Parts: sequence; structure tokens; C-alpha cells
Amino acid sequence: KQEVTQIPAALSVPEGENLVLNCSFTDSAIYNLQWFRQDPGKGLTSLLLIQSSQREQTSGRLNASLDKSSGRSTLYIAASQPGDSATYLCAANSGNTPLVFGKGTRLSVIA
Amino acid sequence: SAVISQKPSRDICQRGTSLTIQCQVDSQVTMMFWYRQQPGQSLTLIATANQGSEATYESGFVIDKFPISRPNLTFSTLTVSNMSPEDSSIYLCSVGTEGYTFGSGTRLTVV
Repeated sequence: KQEVTQIPAALSVPEGENLVLNCSFTDSAIYNLQWFRQDPGKGLTSLLLIQSSQREQTSGRLNASLDKSSGRSTLYIAASQPGDSATYLCAANSGNTPLVFGKGTRLSVIA
Repeated sequence: SAVISQKPSRDICQRGTSLTIQCQVDSQVTMMFWYRQQPGQSLTLIATANQGSEATYESGFVIDKFPISRPNLTFSTLTVSNMSPEDSSIYLCSVGTEGYTFGSGTRLTVV
């Protein structure tokens, strides 16, 4: 059964810094790895989807990588802004199964 | 990717009562997923709903407490029955088409 772990649990950085969020998963037979953003009390916004045949995806200041052999994914945020403050969730599935979520990284970007 | 309309967005309910949450998808999908997010926690899968068959529940969740309907390929409901304060959570529905998308969530408070 897929298990997903995210570190750190919380992160506080000054505005303008580049930062990396980490995600690890136990089943290397991964089908999808997806990163989401969640604002307090709100639903989930999909940021990036990496399919099993891909190694990375980019969208604006965000870049996500996938290394199936090591069971890891990273989300890189360039030039962080206060508006990036949110909880970032990593989720993965194996085959046509529901997503399994990590506990998230709560990010605070200080102006 | 699919667009999901979920309602209600929030509700405050008396203990012992029931609440039905609705999700409408703008395209036909085989499977819909229901998740719960307890305060300060990540998302936990409640059940998978297939059209024309009974939902499949995860360990710790039972049909009597969380009955699910799936009358067609674009619609599903989740009922939270005989509520207690421990049911206070955000409930989200999801579908998996070109990555997974989520409804905006229902924030339930039981008093």
C-alpha cells in the first residue's frame, strides 16, 4: 500500500528565497505524483502532475521532479512571494487507484 | 480536466442529525472519490463510488455512517449520518481525469 511522507512539516522563509519541499513514497510502481496547494479552510488546487513516464514538470516559478528509483519527489519554488504562503500537499497513486496524501508542508513566506 | 461543483460549501449542524453533500461533475467519470480532512490533518479516503454498484469503503469507514449514492456518471452524494462533534471536518469529492481534481470542499461543524 502506498505511503507518502512530506518534510518539513512547516517552513518559514523570507520573501525572495528559493525553496524546496520534499516528498517520499514507498511504492515505486507509481502511476501519478501530484502536488496541490491548499489555503486555510479551502479546497485543493492542483499545481503540477507528473506521470510515471515523466521526470519533471514546470509551471511558472514551480518545478516538480520525480525519481521513482529513490521514491522521491521535490517541489521547487523560485523567488518565493507572500502569496505563496499555504499548505503544499504531495499525493501519489499506484495504478488506477485513489490518491494517497502526505501530511503536507505548511509554508510561510515573510515579507 | 474535469470541473466539480460541490455543495454546500459549509454548514453547522446539531449532533444526531444528518447532512448530505452533493458533487456534480461537468463530464462523465467512472469513479468518484470521497475524502475527509480533519482539523490540522491531511486527506483520508472515505470511499470510492462507482456508478451502478455499491461504494467501496476504506478501513474505519462504514456505509451506515457514510452512505453514498452514485445515480449516474456525473453526480454523487455523501451523507454524514447521526453526526457527532468528531465528524467536524472538511469533506471533499474528487475525480481522476488527466490528474485528480477536487471539489471546493464542505466545511462541516457539528455542535
